[in-house]
Amino acid sequence: QVQLVQSGAEVKKPGASVRVSCKTSGYPFIDYYLHWVRQAPGQGLEWLGWINPNSGDTNCPEKFQGRVTMTRDTSIDTAYMEMSSLTSDDTAVYYCAREGLAEPDCNWFDPWGQGTLVTVSS
Amino acid sequence: QSALTQPASVSGSPGQSITISCTGTTSDIGTYNYVSWYQQHPGKAPKVIIYDVTNRPSGISNRFSGSKSGNTASLTISGLQTEDEGDYYCHSYTGTNTLLYVFGTGTKVTVL
Repeated sequence: QVQLVQSGAEVKKPGASVRVSCKTSGYPFIDYYLHWVRQAPGQGLEWLGWINPNSGDTNCPEKFQGRVTMTRDTSIDTAYMEMSSLTSDDTAVYYCAREGLAEPDCNWFDPWGQGTLVTVSS
Repeated sequence: QSALTQPASVSGSPGQSITISCTGTTSDIGTYNYVSWYQQHPGKAPKVIIYDVTNRPSGISNRFSGSKSGNTASLTISGLQTEDEGDYYCHSYTGTNTLLYVFGTGTKVTVL
């Protein structure tokens, strides 16, 4: 079955960077866009961007441009999200999520990874 | 682009129906039929229950239904069950390159 398995929890100091991985299985990796979403403690969901695993093209919201980098390694069916210049406001659970269909107009996410808690604290 | 607006909480008794609203703008919900709804239980990842306004993924109960009118989308849960308790988020495509997708503020559903 389709699975997205993320890397483990991280604790980082302010100003540092963090890289979260998303290992996929059960489907053709390059056929489905992957998205990244985060959720601060007790808060709602926030979209961080997508990567096209086939081309490596990415898109992220203006507020994260220059701070979020999404990459992939097609040899191991794994996507990565790196965020730099971390502050306490970046403390959150970070999720990867696959698009539901391998179609150009698919704008929903299914399934999701289990989440990775990133804690930023001095 | 702000988050879509949802009520903070909605409650109902078992067997009742409840509706959660999700208000956006002409830039998102009002223009695109790309509204999805996600259910999230405590400590778990979100799960899609409605996509493209009205469609249910395979395996999702037909007690969940979606609709849209103007800039507002709605999720209705019929025959409320205890396992429906959790948080629900709407989500929309915006077509705006500065922020392609926006989530709702989230609604906590309580089964009385």
